Amino acid sequence: QLQLQESGPGLVKPSDTLSLTCTVSGVSISTSSYYWGWIRQPPGKGLEWIGNMYYSGSAYYNPSLKSRVTISVDTSKNQFSLKLSSVTAADTAVYYCARHATDGSGRYFYHYMDVWGKGTTVTVSS
Amino acid sequence: SYELTQPPSVSVSPGQTASITCSGDKLGDKYTCWYQQKPGQSPVLVIYQDTKRPSGIPERFSGSNSGNTATLTISGTQTMDEADYYCQAWDRSTVVFGGGTKLTVL
Repeated sequence: QLQLQESGPGLVKPSDTLSLTCTVSGVSISTSSYYWGWIRQPPGKGLEWIGNMYYSGSAYYNPSLKSRVTISVDTSKNQFSLKLSSVTAADTAVYYCARHATDGSGRYFYHYMDVWGKGTTVTVSS
Repeated sequence: SYELTQPPSVSVSPGQTASITCSGDKLGDKYTCWYQQKPGQSPVLVIYQDTKRPSGIPERFSGSNSGNTATLTISGTQTMDEADYYCQAWDRSTVVFGGGTKLTVL
């Protein structure tokens, strides 16, 4: 059964870099037609997509976060990671990792998150 | 940037039909999906590619998408369906979420 589990520090200081890892079990991260990525949710607010990456290295990022975000994939460990630099209190959120299913073209292109991790809370505070 | 607009809240009586809308420019030209999120839990995919239900999602959940509006319909709504619902689409190499709708069953 496919499972995703986030891990990383729950507290990060302002201006530091937030680093999280998602460990995938039950399926190879090198499976075709799936990207692996991150979504966050500030307290009491909606979902915000951060970005994702294919096992080969192809990636998509939220334009509003792109300058601060790095996503990487480690196929040997079946993990993928998120780094968010220069964090502020506005980056305080629950961070989810998720598998992104994608395929098709034109009108029939699809891209959605079919399996999510349980989420990890990250607080930015000194 | 592309925007998806949802009503902040929708109320429905148990057993009735709930409809949650998601509006965006020419949204009918894109595939839309829907997530359900209960308090303290991760989102769960309930509809993908406009109308398809993942395995394990009850038949009372259905979706449609045409013109500028996608709709999530819950027939015979149950109290367990009370949750936040988010629509999502893909535009210009970016995942876009709607702001979410809180469904209250009372």
